[in-house]
Amino acid sequence: SQQGEEDPQALSIQEGENATMNCSYKTSINNLQWYRQNSGRGLVHLILIRSNEREKHSGRLRVTLDTSKKSSSLLITASRAADTASYFCATDVSGSTLGRLYFGRGTQLTVWP
Amino acid sequence: DTGVSQDPRHKITKRGQNVTFRCDPISEHNRLYWYRQTLGQGPEFLTYFQNEAQLEKSRLLSDRFSAERPKGSFSTLEIQRTEQGDSAMYLCASSLSQNSYEQYFGPGTRLTVT
Repeated sequence: SQQGEEDPQALSIQEGENATMNCSYKTSINNLQWYRQNSGRGLVHLILIRSNEREKHSGRLRVTLDTSKKSSSLLITASRAADTASYFCATDVSGSTLGRLYFGRGTQLTVWP
Repeated sequence: DTGVSQDPRHKITKRGQNVTFRCDPISEHNRLYWYRQTLGQGPEFLTYFQNEAQLEKSRLLSDRFSAERPKGSFSTLEIQRTEQGDSAMYLCASSLSQNSYEQYFGPGTRLTVT
């Protein structure tokens, strides 16, 4: 079963705009991770935020985590056409097999030049 | 290339045939995971190895599926008597234990069962 749900399912923006994707999950977590997947290819790890962290930055990425609401958001600033991909949140669930990840269905981001 | 590699990248097989996929993780990574991804869905966990020991198998892994990781290096995933419902992308990922939770994914093997 899928633990996380991303919202929106699809997002279409112009280059230079910011893109925000949200993730909600159901149970307590050790950490939450965001991955990117280009069409039909493997996933690339973007950023990890631990359950005791509230915000994290990496380059043009900003991730927030609200454990009380069981939600996270991924912000991509100044988007580029190369950011076009599917973005997945993945949770490392407390009490689960160490490192086993539960993925959502993803947000398909399209950035138009 | 020091990333995770998978072979083959694509496999087309007829229903009822057996198939085997291979995953070569990053050399110093002792954890290895298999996931399955169908169209429009996120990856779903199948099984996990810590070195050569298979520590968990998802209920998605029916008795037609078997995975091995001899000597704690590469891993194989075999599907016997394939069914059309087995058509999916099979992803392998590896990670280094001890304070490192990010997983490095291979490019996947896309299986089509006709």
